Amino acid sequence: ETGVTQTPRHLVMGMTNKKSLKCEQHLGHNAMYWYKQSAKKPLELMFVYSLEERVENNSVPSRFSPECPNSSHLFLHLHTLQPEDSALYLCASSQTARGAWGYTFGSGTRLTVV
Amino acid sequence: AQSVTQLDSHVSVSEGTPVLLRCNYSSSYSPSLFWYVQHPNKGLQLLLKYTSAATLVKGINGFEAEFKKSETSFHLTKPSAHMSDAAEYFCVVSPSGNTPLVFGKGTRLSVIA
Repeated sequence: ETGVTQTPRHLVMGMTNKKSLKCEQHLGHNAMYWYKQSAKKPLELMFVYSLEERVENNSVPSRFSPECPNSSHLFLHLHTLQPEDSALYLCASSQTARGAWGYTFGSGTRLTVV
Repeated sequence: AQSVTQLDSHVSVSEGTPVLLRCNYSSSYSPSLFWYVQHPNKGLQLLLKYTSAATLVKGINGFEAEFKKSETSFHLTKPSAHMSDAAEYFCVVSPSGNTPLVFGKGTRLSVIA
């Protein structure tokens, strides 16, 4: 247990479904992140939240919609995904958005779009 | 802009032999540097970090890394590989300002019995 909890661990969804990924941290961190990790590709930063405000959105398609209701929780809402969206989605948190002391990662959600 | 280059995409060693995973960084100032490990279908776990204190940094599971400013390197080493060390390793740099960490592309370590 790292202090960052992601649910569910595995998710299979059809292209017309709507689902949400959840991330929770109780480390007292002020910044949270969503990353996408696809096979044989570098880690891709999707979204950054600092003090509950979105500070970075790396040209992510609108079918991915993040939500940060408070500094402890982060969601990724999924809608009409494509098969190429199948990947490991990782949540991370850090004390500040700069992350000078590193990030703490969750175990990830393995998403399969069918 | 800050960046990291992991010089090997795959390293294979025999159990009990030394491990060397190479990382070079590019930074206009003295950065914070990290190594993370990822086992299959798991999240990334912090192995060690350098934050301008001692240049030789010791981490978990017997790993260590040395910050060499003159060579802009931060190579990860371990004296004796164990089967459980087989994983993906990421070298990471912390850029200036409020910008996220920059990750290398990863080095896959295989350990042969």
